[in-house]
Formats: sequence, structure tokens, C-alpha cells
Amino acid sequence: KQEVTQIPAALSVPEGENLVLNCSFTDSAIYNLQWFRQDPGKGLTSLLLIQSSQREQTSGRLNASLDKSSGRSTLYIAASQPGDSATYLCAATNYGGATNKLIFGTGTLLAVQP
Amino acid sequence: DGGITQSPKYLFRKEGQNVTLSCEQNLNHDAMYWYRQDPGQGLRLIYYSQIVNDFQKGDIAEGYSVSREKKESFPLTVTSAQKNPTAFYLCASSIEAGRYNSPLHFGNGTRLTVT
Repeated sequence: KQEVTQIPAALSVPEGENLVLNCSFTDSAIYNLQWFRQDPGKGLTSLLLIQSSQREQTSGRLNASLDKSSGRSTLYIAASQPGDSATYLCAATNYGGATNKLIFGTGTLLAVQP
Repeated sequence: DGGITQSPKYLFRKEGQNVTLSCEQNLNHDAMYWYRQDPGQGLRLIYYSQIVNDFQKGDIAEGYSVSREKKESFPLTVTSAQKNPTAFYLCASSIEAGRYNSPLHFGNGTRLTVT
């Protein structure tokens, strides 16, 4: 059974700092690994999707990497801004079944201090 | 603008009452999903639907029911059989359920409180 873990649960950094959020998964037989952002009281916004055949994906100041052999993914945020403050969740899509079934981590709450 | 609309944003009910949460999408997506989010836990899948008039149980379907009579709509009913209904409920959609590399699009959620 796939389990997805995100450590730390919370992180506070000063504005301008580069930072890395971590995501670990126990079953490497995944189709993809997705990173989402969630603002308080809101739904999730998809940030990046890394397919199992890819090593990384980039969007603006965000870069996500995937290492299936070690069961790890990282989300790198460059030059952090207060507007980046949110909860970041990762989710793995496993092989099997006929649905885009995601297994979510519990998220990392990021606070970027001005 | 295309997107997913969930209503209402906040919902309060007395224990023992059934309640229905609305989810409408205009993205022309085939697949729709209901997730539940609790503090300190990841999102958990309640039900999903790949096409109209078809739906499947997710990991925590007990005490919930759904319908998919139209492509755009996927309402969730929280019944009195659900033991811990107070939670944040999120609806999502994707182009096709079988396209594993299509990202999910989420609505803004409904916070249900049952007392």
C-alpha cells in the first residue's frame, strides 16, 4: 500500500531564501508525482506533474525532481516571496485501477517572512 | 472562465440529517472525484466517476452517496450513517480517468460542520 510522507510539517523562511520541500513515497511503481499548492480554506492548485519517465519539471521559480529508486521527490522554490506562503502537498499516482487515483501526503505549511 | 464550482462554501447541519454538497464543472472533463480533508491527514478519496451514469467507491465511501446524471455535475450526499461527517470536502475533475498524466483540477471546497 502506497504511503506518502512530507517532512517537515511546517517551515518558516525569510523572504528571498531558496528552499526545498521533501516528499517520500513507499511504492516506486508510480505513473507520476504531482505537487499542489493549497491556500487557507481553498482548494488545491496543481503546480507541477512529473511523469515516471521524467527526472524533473520546471515552472518559473519552481523545480520539482523525482527519484523513483529512492522513493523521493523534492520541490525547489527559488527566491521565495511572501506570496509563496501556503501548504504544499505532493501526491503519487500508482499503477493499477482505471482511475487517476492519487495518494496524498499531509503537506508542508510554508511561511515566507517579509 | 472554466473551472469547478462547489457550493455552499460553509454548511451546518444537525446530527442525523442528510446533506448534499454541490459540484459543477464547465471544463468538459469526463472524470470527477470527491475527496475529504481532515486536519493532519492527507486527502482521502470518497467516490469517483469516469463517465455519466457511472461511479465507483473510493477508500472511504461508507456513509456517502453520489450521482452522475450529467457530465457537468457530481453531487455528494453525506448521510446520517457517516460517523464523523465534519470535514472539508473537495471536488475535483480530470480530462479522463484513464489518462494517468492529466492533472487534477480542484474546486474551492465546502466546509461541513455537523453538531
